[in-house]
Amino acid sequence: GESVGLHLPTLSVQEGDNSIINCAYSNSASDYFIWYKQESGKGPQFIIDIRSNMDKRQGQRVTVLLNKTVKHLSLQIAATQPGDSAVYFCAENRGGGSNYKLTFGKGTLLTVNP
Amino acid sequence: DADVTQTPRNRITKTGKRIMLECSQTKGHDRMYWYRQDPGLGLRLIYYSFDVKDINKGEISDGYSVSRQAQAKFSLSLESAIPNQTALYFCATSPGGSDEQFFGPGTRLTVL
Repeated sequence: GESVGLHLPTLSVQEGDNSIINCAYSNSASDYFIWYKQESGKGPQFIIDIRSNMDKRQGQRVTVLLNKTVKHLSLQIAATQPGDSAVYFCAENRGGGSNYKLTFGKGTLLTVNP
Repeated sequence: DADVTQTPRNRITKTGKRIMLECSQTKGHDRMYWYRQDPGLGLRLIYYSFDVKDINKGEISDGYSVSRQAQAKFSLSLESAIPNQTALYFCATSPGGSDEQFFGPGTRLTVL
């Protein structure tokens, strides 16, 4: 049978390359999206967030793109470094408004090769 | 994040034992959350609290209970632990008016 959820999507890049991590969401009512980074043995750490009234938001070396038409979110990391190796999670506020609950994706494992 | 602490960090216990995981925060946030993380499944919400004495079930609350004793403390209990509760457990906090959540370092629980 299918081993759903036992294997993370993985992305392997060379140091210095740009990385793109993708996330699909299903609820058109979601109005807030957030990316977290989780290093081995640690809790998730905030990277960047975006509200549904925006298409793009930039941080330091990271950019989040939101395509509401196809319900797609992406995280772009410029000049990827070995320290960027981690699992990356997208999360959405499905209820919108004052829901204040996040629903997390399964994560993507990013490996940066020196 | 040192502002959100969890104790213990690691725990091994036996089936049927009662276990309590503690979460404390110095951020002054009203909202606190407990999540469970299993390999390849992301984080799933167990319980959450928007204020002292406010308790809400998440998507996987069966087999768990919580207590919000004070604004700064939110504890998770497993009344009778079972092996499929072996997982990483994370506490998170969130300030009023924000969706962003701040996570603790996690507790690795193993139920034999």
